[in-house]
Amino acid sequence: DTAVSQTPKYLVTQMGNDKSIKCEQNLGHDTMYWYKQDSKKFLKIMFSYNNKELIINETVPNRFSPKSPDKAHLNLHINSLELGDSAVYFCASSPTSTYGYTFGSGTRLTVV
Amino acid sequence: GQQVMQIPQYQHVQEGEDFTTYCNSSTTLSNIQWYKQRPGGHPVFLIQLVKSGEVKKQKRLTFQFGEAKKNSSLHITATQTTDVGTYFCAGPNDYKLSFGAGTTVTVRA
Repeated sequence: DTAVSQTPKYLVTQMGNDKSIKCEQNLGHDTMYWYKQDSKKFLKIMFSYNNKELIINETVPNRFSPKSPDKAHLNLHINSLELGDSAVYFCASSPTSTYGYTFGSGTRLTVV
Repeated sequence: GQQVMQIPQYQHVQEGEDFTTYCNSSTTLSNIQWYKQRPGGHPVFLIQLVKSGEVKKQKRLTFQFGEAKKNSSLHITATQTTDVGTYFCAGPNDYKLSFGAGTTVTVRA
């Protein structure tokens, strides 16, 4: 069983479209995150959730809207996609915010 | 805010040689974590160091946490082609991990 699963793995879409990425973890962790990795491999936090509650919104444009229906799921919806949104988006989870993260396999988003 | 810096950005190593990557934080850390990301893959948790001066080994990898808990290092001995990838250090800060920029390692056979 995959511990943190993300879908889809690849997403190619046109500017202006709306898309969603789904994430599920079966580790029983309380905390989940979205990270964005740019072309230079830099990992930047976007959102942090603890037990379904939003803890961190790291100056992300409001076109990005996370939703956590329960503590095992954290989805990311993106409106009006822009070229600069092209990146790899990683979902992750951890038992607490200070312990080792388990990452999903990533979603490579390409906006054309 | 907290910044985590890593050097070098790139490390080109001859197979069989040793190398070290370094991590420095602008603030004192409660712990330091190391991750490895293979090309095309996702970051994988390697280890967490908590105590000042702590040293941990995983086979050919040696991790060290500085006495002031603001710096760390990863030393790899007898590099193999399986060591290829990007190594990230990360420190917890306000409900998130702040990652260094990573050291990307390539190996010449």
